[in-house]
Amino acid sequence: KQEVTQIPAALSVPEGENLVLNCSFTDSAIYNLQWFRQDPGKGLTSLLLIQSSQREQTSGRLNASLDKSSGRSTLYIAASQPGDSATYLCAVGDNYGQNFVFGPGTRLSVLP
Amino acid sequence: DAGITQSPRHKVTETGTPVTLRCHQTENHRYMYWYRQDPGHGLRLIHYSYGVKDTDKGEVSDGYSVSRSKTEDFLLTLESATSSQTSVYFCAIKGQQNTEAFFGQGTRLTVV
Repeated sequence: KQEVTQIPAALSVPEGENLVLNCSFTDSAIYNLQWFRQDPGKGLTSLLLIQSSQREQTSGRLNASLDKSSGRSTLYIAASQPGDSATYLCAVGDNYGQNFVFGPGTRLSVLP
Repeated sequence: DAGITQSPRHKVTETGTPVTLRCHQTENHRYMYWYRQDPGHGLRLIHYSYGVKDTDKGEVSDGYSVSRSKTEDFLLTLESATSSQTSVYFCAIKGQQNTEAFFGQGTRLTVV
């Protein structure tokens, strides 16, 4: 059974710092991996989707990498801003890409 | 919000009563999902659908049933609500297996 973990569980940084969020999964036979952000009381917003054949994806200040063999993905956020404060979740696509298994999330606070 | 509407957004119901949550999409996407999100458990898949009248169970399907009679609507029914089903329920959609998933805003259900 696929298990997904995220470290750290919570992170607090001053504005302007570059930071890395980690996602680990136990079964490397994944089809894709998606990063989401969730603001309190809200739904999930898709940030980046990485296919299993890709090594990384970039969107603005966000860069996500994928290393299937080691069962790891990282989300790099450059020049963090208070508006980046949210919970970040990674979700691993399995079952031929039909379903996602979610990690527990990293709660990020960016202090002004 | 990628054309996803969940209704109701909030509901309080009594133990033992039936409850139906609705997910409506305007994207004509093939895949639709119901997740629940609970503190300490993260997001867990309840049921999903890969086409009209085609559904399958997820990780936590006991006590829940679903129906999809047309592409745009996916209904989640709690036949006899219990306090353990108090949760936030999210609907998600996806066009093809290996593509990006989009989430609705959630339904907060309280069973008293």
